[in-house]
Formats: sequence, structure tokens, C-alpha cells
Amino acid sequence: AQKITQTQPGMFVQEKEAVTLDCTYDTSDPSYGLFWYKQPSSGEMIFLIYQGSYDQQNATEGRYSLNFQKARKSANLVISASQLGDSAMYFCAMREVSGSARQLTFGSGTQLTVLP
Amino acid sequence: EPEVTQTPSHQVTQMGQEVILRCVPISNHLYFYWYRQILGQKVEFLVSFYNNEISEKSEIFDDQFSVERPDGSNFTLKIRSTKLEDSAMYFCASSPGQGLTDTQYFGPGTRLTVL
Repeated sequence: AQKITQTQPGMFVQEKEAVTLDCTYDTSDPSYGLFWYKQPSSGEMIFLIYQGSYDQQNATEGRYSLNFQKARKSANLVISASQLGDSAMYFCAMREVSGSARQLTFGSGTQLTVLP
Repeated sequence: EPEVTQTPSHQVTQMGQEVILRCVPISNHLYFYWYRQILGQKVEFLVSFYNNEISEKSEIFDDQFSVERPDGSNFTLKIRSTKLEDSAMYFCASSPGQGLTDTQYFGPGTRLTVL
């Protein structure tokens, strides 16, 4: 079974509008972290936001926020007031902490295009 | 702001040749990683390195691959005899080692093309 599922291969949003990128995950580990990374066309991977499994509040980082629904095992990224520079591939990733594992497992990504 | 750097940005090699990809992690970070991304596919974990030894590796990381921290700043990935299927973007990452909140910061990647 896929550990991280991103069901939207591509999304379009109008500039200045908000957009939600979906991510669901599968783990039996009670301790885990969820990460979102942005990959522009230039190829680098840019860390955006983190949510821990024990965090009571949804993470926020500037225009990025995470809609964390633990019971549903979802960690959707919300980008508010989209900008043209937000056009990129977005990856959701998970780290399961038990056994001191540190590897990240990535989803297949969502290609976001911001329209002027 | 400190960042992970990688060289070269693009490497072209012939099948069967050895390649070494180089990375300089963020200076106070304790954990180092290599990931790869075949064109159009998801990012895949290869190996993690801590305290001068491999701490985890994936099935992809077979005997053809090795990692080394030859000095206090560089972290290298060696592929001994490259295959066509090794063509991919290779990312180095590092993290400070902060428990559950530990965040991995990625370098810009090295695009490896095997001909």
C-alpha cells in the first residue's frame, strides 16, 4: 500500500486565490512527521512546512498552512493568495519515527499552475 | 542563510564508468542523506549517514553505491559502475537531528545522465 498518496497530478488556480493540495498517508506508527516540499522547474527541493503527529494545532508558515486531520490521515497543504511564483511541483512526505528511522517517504507530487 | 550545496550540477557519463557526486551539508547538521528522483517520478530515499556510518539504506542502495565523508565538510555518493537506469536527479540533504521535528534540507541536486 502507498504510504503517501497525492491524488491530484495537476491543479490550476487563479492568481490571488487560495488552493488546497491533498495528501493522505498510511502509517501505524503513533509518532510521525509530515512535510511539504516545493520543487520549481529549476529542480531544487524547498522545504515549506512541517506537522508533527502530536501537534494539537495546524502548522502555519506565512501563506502556507496545513489542514491536518489525524483521524482521516490527511495533511492537506493550503496556499493562500497564490502568486505566479507558486507554480511548481509540490510533494508531501512522511517520516515515521519509531526505531529512529529518518528516511522520508514521498508522494508522487502535484503540479500546481498559477494562472494570471 | 546556510544551505546544502552539490557539485556538479550535471554529470554525463558512459555506462560502466564510476561517478562521484559531491555534497557539502549545512555545517552544524549531524545527519546526511542521499535521495534520487528518476525523471517524472517520485523522490526515493537511498541512504542516511550519521556519526561516520550508514544508519539506514534502501533496497536501491546496493553494492554499486557507497557513501563517504572524506573530511569535515564533504559528503559523497559513489556509483561504481553506472547503468542506464541510474540516470536521475540525485539530491543530498542534511538535518540537525532534532527528534520528531527534524527537518531535512535539500541541495539543488545533481542531474546524472548515463549514456
